Amino acid sequence: ETGVTQTPRHLVMGMTNKKSLKCEQHLGHNAMYWYKQSAKKPLELMFVYNFKEQTENNSVPSRFSPECPNSSHLFLHLHTLQPEDSALYLCASSQHRGSNEKLFFGSGTQLSVL
Amino acid sequence: QQQVKQSPQSLIVQKGGISIINCAYENTAFDYFPWYQQFPGKGPALLIAIRPDVSEKKEGRFTISFNKSAKQFSLHIMDSQPGDSATYFCAAAGGSNYKLTFGKGTLLTVNP
Repeated sequence: ETGVTQTPRHLVMGMTNKKSLKCEQHLGHNAMYWYKQSAKKPLELMFVYNFKEQTENNSVPSRFSPECPNSSHLFLHLHTLQPEDSALYLCASSQHRGSNEKLFFGSGTQLSVL
Repeated sequence: QQQVKQSPQSLIVQKGGISIINCAYENTAFDYFPWYQQFPGKGPALLIAIRPDVSEKKEGRFTISFNKSAKQFSLHIMDSQPGDSATYFCAAAGGSNYKLTFGKGTLLTVNP
């Protein structure tokens, strides 16, 4: 295991539902990330948190709302999603936020929006 | 530009063969080039990384070759094994942009 745990592993939701993805890291890292992985596309960085403060929002639609209550936990709140939002959502952490930092990924949440 | 171009999209190799995956980048400020390996149902995991002060880095059967003038780097897997079957992502970062820019990935299948 990588030390980064994501729940749920799979999620099916309707376009009008509200759900949340959870990520927890047991590595004592200070930076946490949300990535979106779609088939045949590069991993897309969505949000970055450093010491619980959001430092990056890569033009992500407001229907995705991140929350970082502490350095070990990260949430992604979802509401009124679109079918094109169906993807694997990956959480990652690193010791610090830096260009040469090793990222530790969770196994992801496979999201299907109907 | 931030794009990292990766090829091929998929690769089939026989057991014992050499797997080669190539990546090219545009941003000359990039100074960190990792490769991540992803098995089905798992998140990516760092496999090996290189900085541009060396032209090659080897870890076991995995080697990164780096060509700074051509702005290209590649992953070589020697004596490929069925257990190496996975998706491989190259990435790059550096300069004012600390974020990793990933390639689209290469699905490697090693046949027994």
